[in-house]
Amino acid sequence: AQKVTQAQTEISVVEKEDVTLDCVYETRDTTYYLFWYKQPPSGELVFLIRRNSFDEQNEISGRYSWNFQKSTSSFNFTITASQVVDSAVYFCALQRDSSYKLIFGSGTRLLVRP
Amino acid sequence: GAGVSQSPSNKVTEKGKDVELRCDPISGHTALYWYRQSLGQGLEFLIYFQGNSAPDKSGLPSDRFSAERTGGSVSTLTIQRTQQEDSAVYLCASSLPTGANTEAFFGQGTRLTVV
Repeated sequence: AQKVTQAQTEISVVEKEDVTLDCVYETRDTTYYLFWYKQPPSGELVFLIRRNSFDEQNEISGRYSWNFQKSTSSFNFTITASQVVDSAVYFCALQRDSSYKLIFGSGTRLLVRP
Repeated sequence: GAGVSQSPSNKVTEKGKDVELRCDPISGHTALYWYRQSLGQGLEFLIYFQGNSAPDKSGLPSDRFSAERTGGSVSTLTIQRTQQEDSAVYLCASSLPTGANTEAFFGQGTRLTVV
């Protein structure tokens, strides 16, 4: 079975703090894709990153970084020097190879206070 | 427009009425998806279109739910005889055909409230 767990329901930090959002997934597939989406108050899901199962290199994009570890089935997301505009719900998702269906975690609501 | 467009953005309907939700995907995106986001269930897959056909309707929760897509573009999700448990945000997404580098782009959703 495929499953994504985001154990942190809500996180509150003060601006400029670093924050890590956890994502643990379950799959028996050898080829799969992992995603992070951001859902601001406006409602749309904004694509942040897509990573395939064969690429365990960590990725950095500005203040965002992702740590993919197959050994622990985790794909964690870190925001460095958080800003108020980072306040949103963040979803981690899993997609099987050649599939179209995204299996989402329950989301983590991040509140960045000024 | 440049992104996925959904209408209406908000819909309040009386229990038992039918509703239609519309999705206009990104031009050139042949794949289209409907998801439902509700408090108790999180984000759930409903249906997938490739062109005008729907090879996977497995997420539709009951036969009151149906969807169609015409001209390989606009899609309509119809809920008949709405129930209070249908209240949710209905999200539409589109993408290039599934394969390498095909992320889905989402619309802002339609918030449906059944009273």
